[in-house]
Parts: sequence; structure tokens; C-alpha cells
Amino acid sequence: GDSVTQMEGPVTLSEEAFLTINCTYTATGYPSLFWYVQYPGEGLQLLLKATKADDKGSNKGFEATYRKETTSFHLEKGSVQVSDSAVYFCALSESGNTPLVFGKGTRLSVIA
Amino acid sequence: EAGVVQSPRYKIIEKKQPVAFWCNPISGHNTLYWYLQNLGQGPELLIRYENEEAVDDSQLPKDRFSAERLKGVDSTLKIQPAELGDSAVYLCASSPRRGTNTGELFFGEGSRLTVL
Repeated sequence: GDSVTQMEGPVTLSEEAFLTINCTYTATGYPSLFWYVQYPGEGLQLLLKATKADDKGSNKGFEATYRKETTSFHLEKGSVQVSDSAVYFCALSESGNTPLVFGKGTRLSVIA
Repeated sequence: EAGVVQSPRYKIIEKKQPVAFWCNPISGHNTLYWYLQNLGQGPELLIRYENEEAVDDSQLPKDRFSAERLKGVDSTLKIQPAELGDSAVYLCASSPRRGTNTGELFFGEGSRLTVL
């Protein structure tokens, strides 16, 4: 079945450092790919998405590119802030009719 | 526009007791999901509704878990009796009508259950 594997945390960075959180997937078809973020005490919310190969999703300074050849969707940000401290989940959906399949999440802590 | 509303936010019960969680999805969203999130893990689907019909409940432990979505709007997830291993966060999510969405789900804040 479909699955998502993302790098284990926690990840601790200093403010303004470069961030990469790796995510790879296994799917039978051509899924849509998502990054969700969960800030402390809040619900999961969509950070960015990409629906086909070579698409780049971006939001709040975060970016991720859908790489079909490496089945990857790595999350990057050039300069993290303390407010980016959260748990980040990579997820996929085979189609609009199927539920999201999530990775285990990566906790990011940014220190000033 | 109001988001997905869940209650209660926190619940502490003793094992073998029943518990129920309630979810009100975003207005107009036909699809409703219940996910289970164990500590340090990603959410896992329990059940998915299209309107009032449960279209995917293969991961719902039916011996003790039940769910309903009367009138295709609000939903309730029940556990009876609760076990220690049920301690987790129960997430509700909704999405627009099938065929019109891109897979994005809108989540509530979750209901955190602690079974003692």
C-alpha cells in the first residue's frame, strides 16, 4: 500500500539556519503530495502541496518540489525562525477521493 | 468561516469506561474523516464518511469503536469500553465534495484521550 517515510526528529536549529526535512513516498499511481504543520496546541494545517511531477509547492518561505524520479518531496526553508517550531508531516493522496496517508512527523525546534 | 470543531478537547477516563467525541465539519464539506494520532506518530485513518455513508471503515476496531454521522453533518465517535492503549489524540477532518477537491483536508484541534 501507499506509504510515506520522513526523517526522524527532533531537529534542532538556530534561528536563520537552513532547513531540510526529507520525505520519500511509495505509491501505485501518481499521488498528490502535501506538507502539513502542527504548531503547539493547534490542529494540523496545510503548509503546501504539489499535485504533479516537477511542481513546486511554496508557502511562508517553505518550499518542496515533487520529484517523481526519486519519489521525494523534501521540505526546505532558507532561514528558519523561532515561530517555525512545530511538527511537520509529509502526506500523500492517490486522488481526491482517497484519504491522506501521513508520515510519522518531524519535530522542529528553532532556538534564538 | 468556522473551521472544524471538535469536543471535548481533553478527556480523562478510567479503563472500561465509555467515551464519545463529537465533530462538526466545515459547512458544505461532504466528506468527514476520523483519524487516530498516537504520540510521536502520524495520523492514521479510522473511518471516512461521504455524507452519511461510511465508505471506508476498514481500520476501525469494530469490537469497541463505533461512529455515526446522522444527517450527513455532525459526527460522533464512540469507544466502549476504553482500554489503556486507546490513549491518543482523535482528529476529525473534513473536505469538500468528492471530485471537487485536491486532497486537502481541514483538521480540527483534536480530542486528547487519556485512559487510566
